[in-house]
Amino acid sequence: DSGVTQTPKHLITATGQRVTLRCSPRSGDLSVYWYQQSLDQGLQFLIQYYNGEERAKGNILERFSAQQFPDLHSELNLSSLELGDSALYFCATSRGVAGGTDTQYFGPGTRLTVL
Amino acid sequence: AQSVSQHNHHVILSEAASLELGCNYSYGGTVNLFWYVQYPGQHLQLLLKYFSGDPLVKGIKGFEAEFIKSKFSFNLRKPSVQWSDTAEYFCAVNANNAGNMLTFGGGTRLMVKP
Repeated sequence: DSGVTQTPKHLITATGQRVTLRCSPRSGDLSVYWYQQSLDQGLQFLIQYYNGEERAKGNILERFSAQQFPDLHSELNLSSLELGDSALYFCATSRGVAGGTDTQYFGPGTRLTVL
Repeated sequence: AQSVSQHNHHVILSEAASLELGCNYSYGGTVNLFWYVQYPGQHLQLLLKYFSGDPLVKGIKGFEAEFIKSKFSFNLRKPSVQWSDTAEYFCAVNANNAGNMLTFGGGTRLMVKP
């Protein structure tokens, strides 16, 4: 157990719908990262927040957005869902040390299925 | 942009065999390197990491990796695998000037036959 929690574990929804995925960091971690794992794209970085502010953006679609709240938990919002959005969404958290030596610890993931 | 290649997509070994999984990255500057493991149905767990210093890094569960800067490689090794090592292994790179985001390789699925 990494100490990072994600809810829900599974989510099944229909195309066009909107969902929210939630991540709670390990105690003391200020940074939250979201990754998407799909069969065709592999593991891809989506977005990072540090202490409530957006820090870095990766291959995140405009239909997707995220935020980090004052209690440091984060939510990833996915809207206008398409079949291709079906994937495993991981949250990772870290202390937030700059310079790349920060170790990320991953949550159990949310498996999203869009029908 | 940085990229990570894992050449072996699927590896099948018998118990007690030695393991080496390849990882190459493309980035000319300073990098931090990681290996993560994903057991069936579970989340990614950190096996080991390299930031600086001794290029031979030891991790958990008997795994080690060697950073060879001239070859842009960070191969994972284990002298004797066990059935419980059956999992998917991911190499990841963070470039110092790219914030803390990780770029992952495509993963290697390892199956260890008892």
